[in-house]
Amino acid sequence: EAGVAQSPRYKIIEKRQSVAFWCNPISGHATLYWYQQILGQGPKLLIQFQNNGVVDDSQLPKDRFSAERLKGVDSTLKIQPAKLEDSAVYLCASSSQRGPYEQYFGPGTRLTVT
Amino acid sequence: QQPVQSPQAVILREGEDAVINCSSSKALYSVHWYRQKHGEAPIFLMILLKGGEQKGHDKISASFNEKKQQSSLYLTASQLSYSGTYFCGTERLNRDDKIIFGKGTRLHILP
Repeated sequence: EAGVAQSPRYKIIEKRQSVAFWCNPISGHATLYWYQQILGQGPKLLIQFQNNGVVDDSQLPKDRFSAERLKGVDSTLKIQPAKLEDSAVYLCASSSQRGPYEQYFGPGTRLTVT
Repeated sequence: QQPVQSPQAVILREGEDAVINCSSSKALYSVHWYRQKHGEAPIFLMILLKGGEQKGHDKISASFNEKKQQSSLYLTASQLSYSGTYFCGTERLNRDDKIIFGKGTRLHILP
């Protein structure tokens, strides 16, 4: 079974530029999560999808972050414009359903904003 | 709202035991444990549900005291492969499906 795929693995941009991350969850997983992990911290949930609908985006900075999950499979997370404090690892995870189930994490995208 | 983990870091010699604690100020429905090695994705260890159950596999086990809103992860006879950062994630009793992770406990095993 293929795991959660993410790209790119690394990205360096200047502040005020835009960037997009892509995630392909495990086949058949209805629930998809985007997390932001700042160095030395635990993952912080940004947005949760159930199929192609948003379940929770209360911690997503909507003035600069956006995310979509078309057709309930792949997802993209965009930052526009980026700030220095957005430097972090962005993790995508998926699970077979909502609730207390195992989340499978992708390798993450390490973003550096200069 | 973020669970508090203790200790922040621990260094052990191979074969020693370790306990990592996770506590919340809110009533919990579930506690999730993950391990993350440097530069890698978090890997699932186990989930404990309301009801105070205790789970384990191999030499890693955990308990959940719902009255105290605390969970503990037990690593017995630690192996070099246990090194990494351990995160607990908590889901509140309101079942909002949102997992909030603690800041992590760094565990380093020496040979």
